Amino acid sequence: GQNIDQPTEMTATEGAIVQINCTYQTSGFNGLFWYQQHAGEAPTFLSYNVLDGLEEKGRFSSFLSRSKGYSYLLLKELQMKDSASYLCAVKDSNYQLIWGAGTKLIIKP
Amino acid sequence: TAGITQAPTSQILAAGRSMTLRCTQDMRHNAMYWYRQDLGLGLRLIHYSNTAGTTGKGEVPDGYSVSRANTDDFPLTLASAVPSQTSVYFCASGTGERNEQFFGPGTRLTVL
Repeated sequence: GQNIDQPTEMTATEGAIVQINCTYQTSGFNGLFWYQQHAGEAPTFLSYNVLDGLEEKGRFSSFLSRSKGYSYLLLKELQMKDSASYLCAVKDSNYQLIWGAGTKLIIKP
Repeated sequence: TAGITQAPTSQILAAGRSMTLRCTQDMRHNAMYWYRQDLGLGLRLIHYSNTAGTTGKGEVPDGYSVSRANTDDFPLTLASAVPSQTSVYFCASGTGERNEQFFGPGTRLTVL
């Protein structure tokens, strides 16, 4: 079967750094996405990795290791508005997205 | 640009009734998707359409049907609703090599 694992919930302090991990086992791999979803809202795109390594975009970075079936999302200089769920999704051999259940990130002052 | 719109925003439906959730995009994306999102579970694909005139079944298609008469519209129909279909439904569209998906605001459906 196909499986995406992420921690259910994480807590971090405003101004700090947090790393959200995602491990996957899928039938094929054609890219990995990270989305942000605020409570009661739609998911919005954050990052995309298809090759191994780090992709940096402002305060957010995403890392991929295809051999390990592993990715992480790194959020720096945390702000209260970063409180949200972060969804990891893998594009499988059929080019469909398989989604993790999401990690709820709680930011404390 | 509106992006993707969904209607209604929320609905309470009696079990056994039928309902169509509407989804319209103005980005001219070829691919469109319907997901349901339940607490503690990831987004699950119900049906998809890679291009106008074609549709396919996702992970959880039973009890749902779709049509794709044109590029912009992708309605989802529940023929006879059951309480287990209580969920938040998201429509999405995608394009390009990496198929980044853009989501509508969602429809919160409660079946009693």
